[in-house]
Amino acid sequence: KNEVEQSPQNLTAQEGEFITINCSYSVGISALHWLQQHPGGGIVSLFMLSSGKKKHGRLIATINIQEKHSSLHITASHPRDSAVYICPLQETSGSRLTFGEGTQLTVNP
Amino acid sequence: DGGITQSPKYLFRKEGQNVTLSCEQNLNHDAMYWYRQDPGQGLRLIYYSQIVNDFQKGDIAEGYSVSREKKESFPLTVTSAQKNPTAFYLCASSVAGRHNQPQHFGDGTRLSIL
Repeated sequence: KNEVEQSPQNLTAQEGEFITINCSYSVGISALHWLQQHPGGGIVSLFMLSSGKKKHGRLIATINIQEKHSSLHITASHPRDSAVYICPLQETSGSRLTFGEGTQLTVNP
Repeated sequence: DGGITQSPKYLFRKEGQNVTLSCEQNLNHDAMYWYRQDPGQGLRLIYYSQIVNDFQKGDIAEGYSVSREKKESFPLTVTSAQKNPTAFYLCASSVAGRHNQPQHFGDGTRLSIL
């Protein structure tokens, strides 16, 4: 079993829809990150969470440490949100990240 | 603006040749990382360095080598021993010595075998 699993693997939405991407993990962590990878390959760091909830613009990220689960929500989705979303775990012992396969999001106009 | 620069964006290698991928950062970060990404798969750690003149193997270090002679630079050499080098390579950096620091990523280098 992978240490981090995301669902769904692929998600297609219509512009304006509310989107949720889920991330479950099975190990102890010091933090969980949400990254956005654009079609060209470049990666942008969206959030880093160790508890609770963070909001930036139309993006909201939550984490439940007891349930080992995090969600990324996108409100009023737009075609420019189309990307792969990744939730790597930060190990308790240092700065290394453990990656899952990501969620491919496509938002159609 | 501070950031990470990877070059070149696309790189082609002949069978049996070594090739070096460049990664430079001006964020004053101590820690730097190299990841490999294959189609449809997550990133896998090749090598990382927490401080100048020191580096550690990641999960898939075989066939790769690195150096960290300067804080700003962490070049990755893909040697002829790497049997399947075609992949997308990403470099990242972060503040070392502390937990819970975000990693900043470069735009990546796509390596292909001719």
